[in-house]
Amino acid sequence: NAGVMQNPRHLVRRRGQEARLRCSPMKGHSHVYWYRQLPEEGLKFMVYLQKENIIDESGMPKERFSAEFPKEGPSILRIQQVVRGDSAAYFCASSPSTREQYFGPGTRLTVT
Amino acid sequence: KNEVEQSPQNLTAQEGEFITINCSYSVGISALHWLQQHPGGGIVSLFMLSSGKKKHGRLIATINIQEKHSSLHITASHPRDSAVYICAPYTGNQFYFGTGTSLTVIP
Repeated sequence: NAGVMQNPRHLVRRRGQEARLRCSPMKGHSHVYWYRQLPEEGLKFMVYLQKENIIDESGMPKERFSAEFPKEGPSILRIQQVVRGDSAAYFCASSPSTREQYFGPGTRLTVT
Repeated sequence: KNEVEQSPQNLTAQEGEFITINCSYSVGISALHWLQQHPGGGIVSLFMLSSGKKKHGRLIATINIQEKHSSLHITASHPRDSAVYICAPYTGNQFYFGTGTSLTVIP
């Protein structure tokens, strides 16, 4: 059983461009969580999704950020019109239930 | 006030020492994770606890739900244990994260 996969692992975007981060959960996992780790800071919860539903997006910035987990395919975290402050490591985790979680390797976004 | 407080923030130990990292939290939880993050950034979940104590190799994790406190112990520490250890209480919908304890084990 492959682990949680994230791609790309590293992403460089210029200010104003869009960033799309993908997360493929482990087989059989229907819960996906996205987290952000800013440089020199701890992890922060962003959003919790189940297939085709956003369950909790209380950690998502109100503008420019969106997430989806379609019936087929990976979960996508989308950041529109990126700014330098978006530079961070973005981790996703998947879960077969609501307690244990398995983390992906992360996507490191750099905005130039 | 932070929902999760970890101590110490930084810890340097000699190889072989017994190490304790503490975590206090203020939120109501259904479980608590201890995570390990190595230089390079990958995150591994070490333990998920909802009560009592768990042991995995040289690692032991305990939790006291009434006191809202958890500890992670490493026996016979080794340089490969050098990493950031993160306490992550889980409320049922989301995790809260401590700022982490940066552990360096010197040979």
